Amino acid sequence: GQNIDQPTEMTATEGAIVQINCTYQTSGFNGLFWYQQHAGEAPTFLSYNVLDGLEEKGRFSSFLSRSKGYSYLLLKELQMKDSASYLCAVRDVLNDYKLSFGAGTTVTVRA
Amino acid sequence: SQTIHQWPATLVQPVGSPLSLECTVEGTSNPNLYWYRQAAGRGLQLLFYSVGIGQISSEVPQNLSASRPQDRQFILSSKKLLLSDSGFYLCAWRAGTGFSGANVLTFGAGSRLTVL
Repeated sequence: GQNIDQPTEMTATEGAIVQINCTYQTSGFNGLFWYQQHAGEAPTFLSYNVLDGLEEKGRFSSFLSRSKGYSYLLLKELQMKDSASYLCAVRDVLNDYKLSFGAGTTVTVRA
Repeated sequence: SQTIHQWPATLVQPVGSPLSLECTVEGTSNPNLYWYRQAAGRGLQLLFYSVGIGQISSEVPQNLSASRPQDRQFILSSKKLLLSDSGFYLCAWRAGTGFSGANVLTFGAGSRLTVL
C-alpha cells in the first residue's frame, strides 16, 4: 500500500501564496493527483503528475519528484473561495484500479 | 459528456436498520466504479471497487457490501447499520482503460449518513 502524508492545516492571507506538501511511499508509482474538496462537497480534480517537474494550470501548479517521493501543490494569488481541503492521491502500478488518498490539508484563506 | 448521480444525498438511520445507497453513471460504458467513505475530519477510505458487472473487490472488512447489477449501476448496502458506519459516502467512476494517463477519478455529490 501507500503511505501518504500531508499537513493537516494551513492558513494564509488573501492574495498570498501557499504551498501544500505531500510525501508518499509506494512500491510502484504510477501517478499523483491533487483534488480540491470544499466543506460538505465531493472532491474535484485539480492536477495530475506522473513525470518529474512542474505542471501549471492558471493559479495552481503541482510539482513532482519521484526520486524523493514528494509533491507539492502551489496556490497563487489566493482567493477566499480557495478555502477548502486539498487531497493528495497516489496510484500504484501494481494496482492501477485504485487511488489512495492522504488525509487532506485544510487551507483557510483570511482577508 | 459523462455524469454521475448518487442518492440519497442525506439520510438518518437508526442502529440496526438496513442501508441502500445507489450510484449511476451516464455517458460511458464499462466504467470502473468505486465507493469511498470519509469520516469526519479524516481522509477518503476506499471501501469497494468494481471493474465490471458482478465483479466486486472489497478493500476493508466491514459491515457493508456492494453490488453491480448493471454496467453503470453501483449499490452500497448494509443489513444492519452500526454507529461507526456514519460518514460521507462517495461514489466515483473512471474510464475502464487501465494504464492510461490521467484517467481521472470523478466523484458523485456524496451521501451523508448519520446512524443514531
